Amino acid sequence: EVQLVESGGGLVQSGGSLRLSCAASGFTFSIYWMHWVRQAPGKGLVWVSRINSDGSSTSYADSVKGRFTISRDNAKNTLYLQMNSLRAEHTAVYYCARMGEDGVSPDYWGQGTLVTVSS
Amino acid sequence: QSALTQPASVSGSPGQSITISCTGTSSDVGGYNYVSWYQQHPGKAPKLMISDVSKRPSGVSNRFSGSKSGNTASLTISGLQAEDEADYYCSSYTSSSTLVFGGGTKLTVL
Repeated sequence: EVQLVESGGGLVQSGGSLRLSCAASGFTFSIYWMHWVRQAPGKGLVWVSRINSDGSSTSYADSVKGRFTISRDNAKNTLYLQMNSLRAEHTAVYYCARMGEDGVSPDYWGQGTLVTVSS
Repeated sequence: QSALTQPASVSGSPGQSITISCTGTSSDVGGYNYVSWYQQHPGKAPKLMISDVSKRPSGVSNRFSGSKSGNTASLTISGLQAEDEADYYCSSYTSSSTLVFGGGTKLTVL
């Protein structure tokens, strides 16, 4: 069974940093591309970033470029999102998701971790 | 990248069919057959219902179907059931090699 478990969320002050983790199990993590997607309270889904299977290629939404960094450790079956210079508008549940067979869209999602940025 | 356009809400009675639209541009929905649909119940993670415009993953009811015409994709749910009440989101690959989601549609089963 595919499982994705996010951690690392919490309350942080504006300007601070957080590193989110996503532990993967139930599939061969090292061959799958992965995504981060966020959802502000009561709002819709917003794509954040994606990384290829060996970590050599990444892509970001314009809103986080230069501020967030996606990475992975295939030996630990873990995906990361380093978030710096956080602002109130970054408050959201952050989901990690596996890229599906179509090579584009997420298929399996974690339950998410809440990041709250206080001003 | 602007969000894809979805109606804020739709509703239907049990047994009826409803359709949710998802409108983009030639740089996303219209340019690629990489439109997906997700169902999200309150407090839960999104669940993939349709990928590649019209493909149903294993385990998804055949009451769910997808299509696309030009820059607009559609999700149709037939034989509405109470458990279909949820938020639905479309997504599309873009010409910038990124992913964009729709604003979401709240489905109410009357």
